[in-house]
Amino acid sequence: EVQLLESGGDLVQPGGSLRLSCAASGFTFSSHALSWVRQAPGKGLECVSVISTSAGSAYYADSVKGRFTISRDNSKNTLYLQMNSLRAEDTAVYYCANLQYGFWGQGTLVTVSS
Amino acid sequence: QTVVTQEPSFSVSPGGTVTLTCGLSSGSVSTSYYPSWYQQTPGQAPRTLIYSTNARSSGVPDRFSGSIFGNKAALTITGAQADDESDYYCVLYMVSGIWVFGGGTKLTVL
Repeated sequence: EVQLLESGGDLVQPGGSLRLSCAASGFTFSSHALSWVRQAPGKGLECVSVISTSAGSAYYADSVKGRFTISRDNSKNTLYLQMNSLRAEDTAVYYCANLQYGFWGQGTLVTVSS
Repeated sequence: QTVVTQEPSFSVSPGGTVTLTCGLSSGSVSTSYYPSWYQQTPGQAPRTLIYSTNARSSGVPDRFSGSIFGNKAALTITGAQADDESDYYCVLYMVSGIWVFGGGTKLTVL
């Protein structure tokens, strides 16, 4: 059974940093590109970052470019999202997902507030 | 910046058929965009219905089907049931390497 389990969400002050993790199991982790998708309260879904299988390529939405960094450790079957210079508008549930085949985690809540 | 378009809302009668669409602000949707469809109820993670245009996710009833309809991707629900009342999102893969979601369609069954 495919499982994606996010962790690391927390309350953080504006300008602060946070690192999210996503532990994967039940599929060949290194063979799949992965994404971070977020959903602000009462809003729609937004893909903020994508990373290729070997981590050779990474893509970012304009809203997070220069502030967020996606990475992966294929030896640990884990996906990461380093979030810096956080803003109130980054408040959201963050999901890790494989959007090509539709695997999703249950999400972790990030709240940016003073 | 390319915008993915969806109907903001739609209504269907119980037992009826509804087709939701997913388009582009510029251009046509094709299978190269790997359109996918998700169902979401409040407080829950999205549930994958359809991926890669028309592949049904595990456990999804065959009342849900995906296709390319004209210049858009389409999700058709046949025999609508009360618990189909949800938000539905599509997502498309862009050549830039990022996936872009539509704004979602709120489906009412009444």
